Amino acid sequence: QKEVEQNSGPLSVPEGAIASLNCTYSDRVSQSFFWYRQYSGKSPELIMSIYSNGDKEDGRFTAQLNKASQYVSLLIRDSQPSDSATYLCAVSYNNNDMRFGAGTRLTVKP
Amino acid sequence: IAGITQAPTSQILAAGRRMTLRCTQDMRHNAMYWYRQDLGLGLRLIHYSNTAGTTGKGEVPDGYSVSRANTDDFPLTLASAVPSQTSVYFCASSDLGLAGGLYFGPGTRLTVL
Repeated sequence: QKEVEQNSGPLSVPEGAIASLNCTYSDRVSQSFFWYRQYSGKSPELIMSIYSNGDKEDGRFTAQLNKASQYVSLLIRDSQPSDSATYLCAVSYNNNDMRFGAGTRLTVKP
Repeated sequence: IAGITQAPTSQILAAGRRMTLRCTQDMRHNAMYWYRQDLGLGLRLIHYSNTAGTTGKGEVPDGYSVSRANTDDFPLTLASAVPSQTSVYFCASSDLGLAGGLYFGPGTRLTVL
């Protein structure tokens, strides 16, 4: 059974702090890993992708992948109130199968 | 049109009725997908199409059908709606298969009574 698990939250951080979002997955043949941001009532938006072990940075966002531990994380530095959203972790197993976690709701308090 | 459009935005439907959700993209992406999103369950793949003329089943295909007559359009049909199909439906596309991530449409909120 392929599963992607996230803590549903809510995760609350003060403005300017680092938000840390975590995701574990249960299948070792996973190929690609993604983080999507979804504002309330809107559609998911791709914000990060990572394909190999280690860190990948893009602006205030850093994705971390550890395939041995089957663990993916997203760090948001200098969190802003506009970062308040639900963050979805996704894992693709082949070209036709991408599984999503249920999402972690993040609130950044001014 | 820019990106993916879906219609209708929302719909209330009586159980047993037939319903087609429309999806159109103007990015010339080969691959298109239909997901449903339910609270606590996340997004689940219903059907996909790697290219015009081909379709495949996802994780939760029962009760749904799709067609892909051309690159731009990927309609999802509920032949006889049931209350468990109440959900938010997202159409998505990709230009590199799933390796490149997905672009999502705005979604259709469907309520089956």
